[in-house]
Amino acid sequence: DADVTQTPRNRITKTGKRIMLECSQTKGHDRMYWYRQDPGLGLQLIYYSFDVKDINKGEISDGYSVSRQAQAKFSLSLESAIPNQTALYFCATSMGRASTDTQYFGPGTRLTVL
Amino acid sequence: LAKTTQPISMDSYEGQEVNITCSHNNIATNDYITWYQQFPSQGPRFIIQGYKTKVTNEVASLFIPADRKSSTLSLPRVSLSDTAVYYCLVGDWSKSTFGDGTTLTVKP
Repeated sequence: DADVTQTPRNRITKTGKRIMLECSQTKGHDRMYWYRQDPGLGLQLIYYSFDVKDINKGEISDGYSVSRQAQAKFSLSLESAIPNQTALYFCATSMGRASTDTQYFGPGTRLTVL
Repeated sequence: LAKTTQPISMDSYEGQEVNITCSHNNIATNDYITWYQQFPSQGPRFIIQGYKTKVTNEVASLFIPADRKSSTLSLPRVSLSDTAVYYCLVGDWSKSTFGDGTTLTVKP
């Protein structure tokens, strides 16, 4: 969805480096999410944010941190990247928290940690 | 987490109807059921959502029995472009998981 953008789209880095993935949205949604997807598997929730002041851990938050700089921006950081963090990372947004609220996904960031 | 169970993979041929069933035995009273489609290297996209009985849109139908412990996504007359992974989600996004989905392969 073009309303949700992610930068960079591809990144190759080395073990131990700090990496930041950025997500921006123009949908005006309060909730934002970061997911990780390993090859052939489903998406795993890393962190989610209800609003600028509310950030919550998902299933697999260890090794990751996030920052919600504004309603429209949600960044994911890997403080010290390791090879098993090589994956496809998706940002998503939704208007609210109800299960009726559709999630809108960005195009993804392919991260490779050597 | 609201756990769901789907078949890992399914094969079909162009023009056939495809039904993908999802089990969600611990669905809560207020939970809705949502299906997403994901093409390789793209983010998932919303297909359809329902609470009970039947929902139909221009893309698919969703059948939910009275006990709501399962649901069936029905794709009419599939084409090659319907080859994708299909995920069933139940409940609030902070409590549900995408799981591994069902990989549908449509053959000519």
